[in-house]
Amino acid sequence: GIQVEQSPPDLILQEGANSTLRCNFSDSVNNLQWFHQNPWGQLINLFYIPSGTKQNGRLSATTVATERYSLLYISSSQTTDSGVYFCAVERWETSGSRLTFGEGTQLTVNP
Amino acid sequence: NAGVTQTPKFRILKIGQSMTLQCTQDMNHNYMYWYRQDPGMGLKLIYYSVGAGITDKGEVPNGYNVSRSTTEDFPLRLELAAPSQTSVYFCASTVATASYEQYFGPGTRLTVT
Repeated sequence: GIQVEQSPPDLILQEGANSTLRCNFSDSVNNLQWFHQNPWGQLINLFYIPSGTKQNGRLSATTVATERYSLLYISSSQTTDSGVYFCAVERWETSGSRLTFGEGTQLTVNP
Repeated sequence: NAGVTQTPKFRILKIGQSMTLQCTQDMNHNYMYWYRQDPGMGLKLIYYSVGAGITDKGEVPNGYNVSRSTTEDFPLRLELAAPSQTSVYFCASTVATASYEQYFGPGTRLTVT
């Protein structure tokens, strides 16, 4: 099956710093989603981004599908950004759409 | 819309017991999914459904069963619970349009002892 690798596995920042999270995938995909899992375990959709660049406030994401990677940028980080960031790739099959998740990047933002 | 709801939030089972995890969505989504998340790991697909009456296995289906009698509900059944099934279970749904963006419920934390 398709492999999804995220880097770095762990990241510690001071409040106000910027960061870039990376997601590499091993095969062609139809779409890609970024999620934030907060410390309470809730999964929050950040971006649905099959290609190109999207921005939402301090967060932005870029997917280059032809080169099989996506990047998530966090600028001016805040303590509330702490949690795990997951990349998940989507493949459309005859039986439906399936997401394959990476192992995540654990982000800690210190005050 | 309430979105995707799951019950219970927490449950402790003894080895060999059975239980059903409930999942309901009110967005009229035709696709629904069950995932499990083990500590420090990403989510793995257990079962999914593309519509009422249709279900299919994901990556890790052993020890689980599902049914989909209505568009709204997609219960996950654990028979003969084992410690390896200790995990957090997430239900998700999406609609088959140009975007297959999945929406997740809050999760059920299950411990089997």
